[in-house]
Amino acid sequence: GQQLNQSPQSMFIQEGEDVSMNCTSSSIFNTWLWYKQDPGEGPVLLIALYKAGELTSNGRLTAQFGITRKDSFLNISASIPSDVGIYFCAGREYGNKLVFGAGTILRVKS
Amino acid sequence: EPEVTQTPSHQVTQMGQEVILRCVPISNHLYFYWYRQILGQKVEFLVSFYNNEISEKSEIFDDQFSVERPDGSNFTLKIRSTKLEDSAMYFCASRSPRYEQYFGPGTRLTVT
Repeated sequence: GQQLNQSPQSMFIQEGEDVSMNCTSSSIFNTWLWYKQDPGEGPVLLIALYKAGELTSNGRLTAQFGITRKDSFLNISASIPSDVGIYFCAGREYGNKLVFGAGTILRVKS
Repeated sequence: EPEVTQTPSHQVTQMGQEVILRCVPISNHLYFYWYRQILGQKVEFLVSFYNNEISEKSEIFDDQFSVERPDGSNFTLKIRSTKLEDSAMYFCASRSPRYEQYFGPGTRLTVT
C-alpha cells in the first residue's frame, strides 16, 4: 500500500525562525495537500499542489511538489506563536482517497 | 466561506450500540468522505461516496459501517454495533472539482 513518511516528527521553533518539513512517498502522487490541525479540531487545508515542480505560496507558507512526484515540502517563514500545531501532508495517487503522513508537531521554544 | 459541518461534536455510546454520525458537506461538492483519527495518530481514510454510491473504501470500512445520503444535504456514517476500538475522531470531508478536500470539525466518538 501507499506509504508516506513525514519528517521531522516534531520540532521546536523560536518566534521569527523559518521552519521546513517534508514528506516522501513510496509511490507517485498526482496531488499533494498540506493541512494544519489544532487540538480537537479538523484538518484545515493550507496549500494544494497539482503538478511536478509546482511551487505555491499562501502568505508565509510555501510548498513544492517534488519533481519525482514522490515528495513535497512545506516551509513556514518568520514563524509566529499561532503557527504551533500539527502539520500533515496528504497525497492522492489515483482515485479520490487521501493518504496522510504521520504529522509534524510544531511547538514553541520557551 | 462555505464549510463542512458535523454533528454531534461528541458522542458517547456503549459497546454494541448503533451510532449515526452526521455531516453536511459543502453544497456544490459532489464527492464526500469519511476519515477517522485515533487519538495521537494520523488521519485514516474510511470511505468515499459519489453519485449515491460508495466509490472506494478501506479495509477498516467493514460490514459494521455504512454510509448514506438520505437527502440533498446530509451525509451520514452509521456504525451498527460499536466496539471499543471504534473510539476515535471521525471527520467528514467534501471535495472541490480540483481535488481539494475540506474537512469538518469532527465528531469525537467514545465507546465505553
